[in-house]
Amino acid sequence: GDSVTQMEGPVTLSEEAFLTINCTYTATGYPSLFWYVQYPGEGLQLLLKATKADDKGSNKGFEATYRKETTSFHLEKGSVQVSDSAVYFCALRGNDYKLSFGAGTTVTVRA
Amino acid sequence: DADVTQTPRNRITKTGKRIMLECSQTKGHDRMYWYRQDPGLGLRLIYYSFDVKDINKGEISDGYSVSRQAQAKFSLSLESAIPNQTALYFCATSDPLTRTDTQYFGPGTRLTVL
Repeated sequence: GDSVTQMEGPVTLSEEAFLTINCTYTATGYPSLFWYVQYPGEGLQLLLKATKADDKGSNKGFEATYRKETTSFHLEKGSVQVSDSAVYFCALRGNDYKLSFGAGTTVTVRA
Repeated sequence: DADVTQTPRNRITKTGKRIMLECSQTKGHDRMYWYRQDPGLGLRLIYYSFDVKDINKGEISDGYSVSRQAQAKFSLSLESAIPNQTALYFCATSDPLTRTDTQYFGPGTRLTVL
């Protein structure tokens, strides 16, 4: 079945550092890929998405490119802020319309 | 106002009690979902409904039941709560008419079973 593997955390960074969270997937067909963010005490919010190979999703300075050849959708941000501290989830939606989530990566940004 | 609301936001109960968690949405979406979140496991799908007459089991439906009372309302019940059902529960909705069928989540219900 479909599955998502993402980089284990926790990740601790200083402000203005570069952030990468790795995400790889296994799926049949052509899944859509998502990154969700969960801020402390809140629900999940869609951060960005990509629907086909080579698509780049971007939002709030974050980017991720759908790489079919490496089955990856790594999340990147060039300069993080304290307000980016959150749990980040990679997810895919397969042909059955259900979302499969990674385990989540906790990111803490220190001032 | 939030598009997807969940009640209650927090609940503490005892083993064996029946619990209902409620979800309402104003997004007009046909599809609704219930997930639970456990540390280190991400979110796992409990049940989902593609319209009012359609209910489907997810990967971890044992010990849970659902009711889709209307397009806007989807309730999750624990018939006899047990401690390993202590978790954060999320409701989500999606619109199949959009290309990606993106899911939108409620704020969550934190359930503790003693």
